Amino acid sequence: GESVGLHLPTLSVQEGDNSIINCAYSNSASDYFIWYKQESGKGPQFIIDIRSNMDKRQGQRVTVLLNKTVKHLSLQIAATQPGDSAVYFCAEKGAGGYNKLIFGAGTRLAVHP
Amino acid sequence: GAGVSQTPSNKVTEKGKYVELRCDPISGHTALYWYRQSLGQGPEFLIYFQGTGAADDSGLPNDRFFAVRPEGSVSTLKIQRTERGDSAVYLCASSQQGTNTGELFFGEGSRLTVL
Repeated sequence: GESVGLHLPTLSVQEGDNSIINCAYSNSASDYFIWYKQESGKGPQFIIDIRSNMDKRQGQRVTVLLNKTVKHLSLQIAATQPGDSAVYFCAEKGAGGYNKLIFGAGTRLAVHP
Repeated sequence: GAGVSQTPSNKVTEKGKYVELRCDPISGHTALYWYRQSLGQGPEFLIYFQGTGAADDSGLPNDRFFAVRPEGSVSTLKIQRTERGDSAVYLCASSQQGTNTGELFFGEGSRLTVL
């Protein structure tokens, strides 16, 4: 399928290296943040989330860091693999208690062997 | 299949025509969402259904867009008098009622091209 990230910033890494993808958000009242991965021709896929009362959360090979002072999120991927190549979006949850998500612009991760 | 199913996967239409896009959510998911994704951008919220009712349609761009979910399962997004600017991938997602996470299960989308 056609790529959804033709004009997105790209992070190129070597297989096995660690990747760090950054995201800035604008609403200081946001209390819940999520990272999604989107492969070409597919819908976004949930990776990991974090609430505003935390500054770090770890998953399998992924870590999300939240810095509320500067309204910044990062996604760290350890030992990056070719299958990690995709577009990564951060999102914040809007008001209302349901998943009205506000997505950022996205970053393309390209993993080279 | 077990995932969210969207049809058609691709739709090419002419300016001014009417289109319908269908979403079949994961069985048992009462919450259903439509998002729109333009090339090179993140998805943008359109509408949220809880059961049969549209609980939040604030993201629908204008009155040419309408969505229904008459039996609380399958949803249809309807676009009247299509314009070239409506060209995008329309994503449907579902989730369990009451989950306090941001985990949405997205379909693969319906790519709409308006000529």
